[in-house]
Amino acid sequence: DIQMTQSPSSLSASVGDRVTITCRASQSISSSLNWYQHKPGKAPKLLIYAASTLQGGVPSRFSGSESGTDFSLTISSLQPEDFATYYCQQSYSTPWTFGQGTKVEIK
Amino acid sequence: EVQLLESGGGLVQPGGSLRLSCAASGFTFSSYAMSWVRQAPGKGLEWVTSISGNAGSTYYADFVKGRFTISRDNSKNTLYLQMNSLRAEDTAVFYCAKDRYRTVSPGGWFDPWGQGTLVTVSS
Repeated sequence: DIQMTQSPSSLSASVGDRVTITCRASQSISSSLNWYQHKPGKAPKLLIYAASTLQGGVPSRFSGSESGTDFSLTISSLQPEDFATYYCQQSYSTPWTFGQGTKVEIK
Repeated sequence: EVQLLESGGGLVQPGGSLRLSCAASGFTFSSYAMSWVRQAPGKGLEWVTSISGNAGSTYYADFVKGRFTISRDNSKNTLYLQMNSLRAEDTAVFYCAKDRYRTVSPGGWFDPWGQGTLVTVSS
């Protein structure tokens, strides 16, 4: 199985901060990496697919990048509605696997 | 608008069974693979199982093989998850999600997701 190691597990940031979350795959997964936002009691929401393509309707302050087996999600200017937990997920091979999640909290 | 609505969750004793449903609307249901993903209390997201659009192929996480069965009724636009031999560690919110492709294929993603249904396994 492909292991996805996500870091940090949590972070505290202020509105307007630039935030970066990273995800490392245990093997090459090409660009088969997706990012989701999850708020308590809500359905998870797709933010970015194929490592760097922004899902329709997602604000442009979100971006994704990749370098080998390392992937990053960046929020350029954190907004109040961005406080949530973020997950990466590989779709290279089954079983599909998620990172452990990064909880973004208000400082 | 694409909508997914799960139902069927509840309290069940260890060793018991439960069937979850996911009613889909707003898209051609049979044209897309579908999946179940769960989240145990205080834990992260965990893929459980996926099924192709024509129900010809199914895939399971090792921890549910032989206990859970995914199925779909394309005439009713409904996805199912039959869960047998439930364990305390199966306690979770179960989400259904629409896949990107008709088949369970590399390079896909889950979008959208339903709101989830809570399954509690406890005596």
